[in-house]
Amino acid sequence: DAMVIQNPRYQVTQFGKPVTLSCSQTLNHNVMYWYQQKSSQAPKLLFHYYDKDFNNEADTPDNFQSRRPNTSFCFLDIRSPGLGDAAMYLCATSRLVGIAGGYEQYFGPGTRLTVT
Amino acid sequence: DQQVKQNSPSLSVQEGRISILNCDYTNSMFDYFLWYKKYPAEGPTFLISISSIKDKNEDGRFTVFLNKSAKHLSLHIVPSQPGDSAVYFCAASAMNRDDKIIFGKGTRLHILP
Repeated sequence: DAMVIQNPRYQVTQFGKPVTLSCSQTLNHNVMYWYQQKSSQAPKLLFHYYDKDFNNEADTPDNFQSRRPNTSFCFLDIRSPGLGDAAMYLCATSRLVGIAGGYEQYFGPGTRLTVT
Repeated sequence: DQQVKQNSPSLSVQEGRISILNCDYTNSMFDYFLWYKKYPAEGPTFLISISSIKDKNEDGRFTVFLNKSAKHLSLHIVPSQPGDSAVYFCAASAMNRDDKIIFGKGTRLHILP
């Protein structure tokens, strides 16, 4: 089945130790997104790629970086994780749907990051 | 500043009755609206969407209503089933501007037996 895969599902890292989260997709979608979600809050968009074009949100900390080496893969690098970066990180892809257009996003299961 | 607001953190509905989840938005540039459903330990899954050129979209037990003048949309689930217990996120985008989707905080729906 075509899908969005995130590895690992659970990641524990130490304060200040770089960590990389990965996302892959078999949907061949050209847009990929990274969201941060904390408990009882809305998923917060960190950045997204339209093909190779990188779009960073204005309030995304510099500590967060991303790479997209090809259509299928996208990585989230947290250079120096702080305790406040503990959260669920969701990867999503999107495609245009319908005559009127519109973006339907497909989400991976998420990676829960714990910072100790 | 929240552009998409779901003011009810949780909602309990008897099985078989109608569930109504509400969402308000502030950005008049939004022209495409989506509802996502999320189970614990899973990513959100797309449920139903509506373009701003419509005021209603129906898919089986799920209907989304859009009131542009009030900047309000709602998701109706009828009849509600136990498997509908989940967190529901309202989301919106301005399709002609960018590829971003802005999410609300979600409403946790409990279907009571």
